[in-house]
Amino acid sequence: GQNIDQPTEMTATEGAIVQINCTYQTSGFNGLFWYQQHAGEAPTFLSYNVLDGLEEKGRFSSFLSRSKGYSYLLLKELQMKDSASYLCAVRSLPGNTPLVFGKGTRLSVIA
Amino acid sequence: GAGVSQTPSNKVTEKGKYVELRCDPISGHTALYWYRQSLGQGPEFLIYFQGTGAADDSGLPNDRFFAVRPEGSVSTLKIQRTERGDSAVYLCASTQGGPGNTQYFGPGTRLTVL
Repeated sequence: GQNIDQPTEMTATEGAIVQINCTYQTSGFNGLFWYQQHAGEAPTFLSYNVLDGLEEKGRFSSFLSRSKGYSYLLLKELQMKDSASYLCAVRSLPGNTPLVFGKGTRLSVIA
Repeated sequence: GAGVSQTPSNKVTEKGKYVELRCDPISGHTALYWYRQSLGQGPEFLIYFQGTGAADDSGLPNDRFFAVRPEGSVSTLKIQRTERGDSAVYLCASTQGGPGNTQYFGPGTRLTVL
């Protein structure tokens, strides 16, 4: 079976740093993705990890440990506009195959 | 167009009716995906196309659901005899390959079955 777990909700303060964790158990592994989704809008691509380690892209970073089935998304210098759901997704098969998504973590940034 | 587009943005129908949802992928993208997202959940895979053919339709919940992509570009998701449980946001995504084969999503069609 395929299972992806992430916290349902998180709250953080403007200007702070927040880490959103994701653990996965899938039949195979061919990459992990993070998407941001504002309410009523399409998911937008944030990051992709296929090898262990940290990928940094501006205020956002994503980490992967394949041996632990674990990833996190790190958001720095939080802004109010970062309030959204963050979706962790795994591609279990190679190629252009579909993604398996977690339920998403709803992040609220407060002043 | 710059991104994936979907029409209509909202569809309200009555139980038992037939609906069609349309997806225009990013020009040149060879793979196209349909997902369904219920409130508070992540997207759930339905079917994907590589070119004109359905490469994997294992996510379709039952035979009331069908999708086509006759010319390898636009795709239509068809739902027969709609049920209240079909109410959800139907998302379309496309990819052209490249690092990670990143999927780019459209804004979705919100389907409400009364």
